[in-house]
Amino acid sequence: DAKTTQPNSMESNEEEPVHLPCNHSTISGTDYIHWYRQLPSQGPEYVIHGLTSNVNNRMASLAIAEDRKSSTLILHRATLRDAAVYYCILEKVASGTYKYIFGTGTRLKVLA
Amino acid sequence: DTAVSQTPKYLVTQMGNDKSIKCEQNLGHDTMYWYKQDSKKFLKIMFSYNNKELIINETVPNRFSPKSPDKAHLNLHINSLELGDSAVYFCASNRRGEYNEQFFGPGTRLTVL
Repeated sequence: DAKTTQPNSMESNEEEPVHLPCNHSTISGTDYIHWYRQLPSQGPEYVIHGLTSNVNNRMASLAIAEDRKSSTLILHRATLRDAAVYYCILEKVASGTYKYIFGTGTRLKVLA
Repeated sequence: DTAVSQTPKYLVTQMGNDKSIKCEQNLGHDTMYWYKQDSKKFLKIMFSYNNKELIINETVPNRFSPKSPDKAHLNLHINSLELGDSAVYFCASNRRGEYNEQFFGPGTRLTVL
C-alpha cells in the first residue's frame, strides 16, 4: 500500500509562513493528495486536496512536485489557532471505492 | 446543528463486555466511515458503507460489527472488548466519489480496563 511520510513535529512563529512537507514516493497515478488537520480533542477537518497541479484555497496552498512523489502544505501566515496535527493523506481509488490512507501526521506548534 | 455526531463521547468498560457506539450525520451524505485512532494519533480506516451497503472492510477482528439502519446512521458494535481496543473512534461521512471531502465526528474515546 502506498504511504506518506511526514516529520513528527514542526514549530513556527506567529504571522510567519509554514511549509509542511510530505513524501509519498509510492503514490499511484490516480491517488489524490489530501491534507486534513486535527485540533485538540476534535475530529480531523479538511484543509485542501490536489491531484497534479498546485492548489490554493482560503486556508492554505498545496504545492505538488512534478513527479508527485512529494507535496508541501503551505500556511501563509500561521496563527495560534493553526496549532494542530496536520495529516497528509492519499486517497486511493479502486473498484468504485475511495479509501483514505493517513500519514503519521506533523504536530505544528505556533509560537506567539 | 451538528453535521456528524457520535454518542457516547467517552466510554469506559471492562474487558469482555459488549458495547456500541452510535453515529449520525445530517448532511445528506450517502457514504459513512469508521476510523480508529491509536495512542500515537495514527488514524486507520475500519469500515465504509455506501447506501447501507458495506464497501470497505479492512482487516478488523470479527468482534467489530458495523450496522447501518439507514443512510444517515452507522453504528459500531464491539463484542468481547479487549485492552487493545482502547482508542478513539471517529465516524465520518461524505458523498461517494473521488476527492469528496470527508466530514468527521468529534470522536468516541473508548477505554477498556
